[in-house]
Amino acid sequence: GDSVTQMEGPVTLSEEAFLTINCTYTATGYPSLFWYVQYPGEGLQLLLKATKADDKGSNKGFEATYRKETTSFHLEKGSVQVSDSAVYFCALSPYTGNQFYFGTGTSLTVIP
Amino acid sequence: DVKVTQSSRYLVKRTGEKVFLECVQDMDHENMFWYRQDPGLGLRLIYFSYDVKMKEKGDIPEGYSVSREKKERFSLILESASTNQTSMYLCASSFYEGAGTSGGLNEQFFGPGTRLTVL
Repeated sequence: GDSVTQMEGPVTLSEEAFLTINCTYTATGYPSLFWYVQYPGEGLQLLLKATKADDKGSNKGFEATYRKETTSFHLEKGSVQVSDSAVYFCALSPYTGNQFYFGTGTSLTVIP
Repeated sequence: DVKVTQSSRYLVKRTGEKVFLECVQDMDHENMFWYRQDPGLGLRLIYFSYDVKMKEKGDIPEGYSVSREKKERFSLILESASTNQTSMYLCASSFYEGAGTSGGLNEQFFGPGTRLTVL
């Protein structure tokens, strides 16, 4: 079945460090891929998305490229800030149907 | 902006009580979802609904029921609350990517969550 596997945390980085959070998926056809962010005490909010192969989603300095050949959608940011401290979820929406699949989340803490 | 609201941010109930968690969305989405979130377990789907009065079990439906009498409202019911139902509950809504229901789901929009404590 469809699934998402993402890098386990927690991840701790110094401010201005480079961030990569790995995400790989299993799906038939051409799913849509998403990254969500959850700040402490809040619900999830969409960070970026990509709906077809080679698409790059970007927002707030974060980027992720939909790689069908490696079934990956890794999240990157060139220079993290303390305000980026949050939990990040990779997610997948299959090509058809009404299900949604989330990874287990990766907690990021950025220290000054 | 799409808005998904949940009836309470924090709720404290006693074991055996019947608990209602309400969720309302204002963007006419066909699909609505209830998840629970626990440390180390990520999001787990309890129930979802793809239309009024329609519901489907998710991964962990035991101990829960749902109601969707109107398109904008999706209620989660704990018939007899137990301590192992202490958790963060998240509601979400979504629409289909393509025309009608031929495509997959577009992004999910989440409410702020309800932190339920059962004593």
